[in-house]
Amino acid sequence: AQSVTQLGSHVSVSEGALVLLRCNYSSSVPPYLFWYVQYPNQGLQLLLKYTTGATLVKGINGFEAEFKKSETSFHLTKPSAHMSDAAEYFCAVAGGGADGLTFGKGTHLIIQP
Amino acid sequence: EPEVTQTPSHQVTQMGQEVILRCVPISNHLYFYWYRQILGQKVEFLVSFYNNEISEKSEIFDDQFSVERPDGSNFTLKIRSTKLEDSAMYFCASSPDRLLNTEAFFGQGTRLTVV
Repeated sequence: AQSVTQLGSHVSVSEGALVLLRCNYSSSVPPYLFWYVQYPNQGLQLLLKYTTGATLVKGINGFEAEFKKSETSFHLTKPSAHMSDAAEYFCAVAGGGADGLTFGKGTHLIIQP
Repeated sequence: EPEVTQTPSHQVTQMGQEVILRCVPISNHLYFYWYRQILGQKVEFLVSFYNNEISEKSEIFDDQFSVERPDGSNFTLKIRSTKLEDSAMYFCASSPDRLLNTEAFFGQGTRLTVV
């Protein structure tokens, strides 16, 4: 069975500050890891994903995430927050031939001006 | 840009009634999914559909649920006899290939309220 834990249901940062959204996973097979973003009244949009290879993954809108197997983590970062980054962020895991994604509860990112 | 569309955006139904949630996946995609998110909880996988049959389903997807691709463009989720606990946001998604090889595109969701 797989699971995802996102620490912090709400994270607030100042505009221009570092964004760090935490994600830890549990998987009995090599995981495939995803970050999705949901803007108000919109569907989930893929930010980035890790399947194999380089552990530092770059995504859209300046976000990146690093897969750390030893820590079972896949934290999402962005060096400088922008007001437009305010949204709900979901970490997800897949693997073992499964079709479906297992999501975390989500983190609501608030950007303070 | 192609997108997954879901209708209606919000549906209110009485407990015990049947409800059908509709989705139009992206036209050249082959895999289709339904997820749900109960308010305040995580997004949960319900079912995946490929080649006109269910390829995987979760424990949530019991006999009360069914999916269908009736006409080659729509992808529907039916709940036969709704319960209060079925109130949730339901997301449809589609992908051109298996999820691990590509990206799933999600619709905006249908908020189902059972009263």
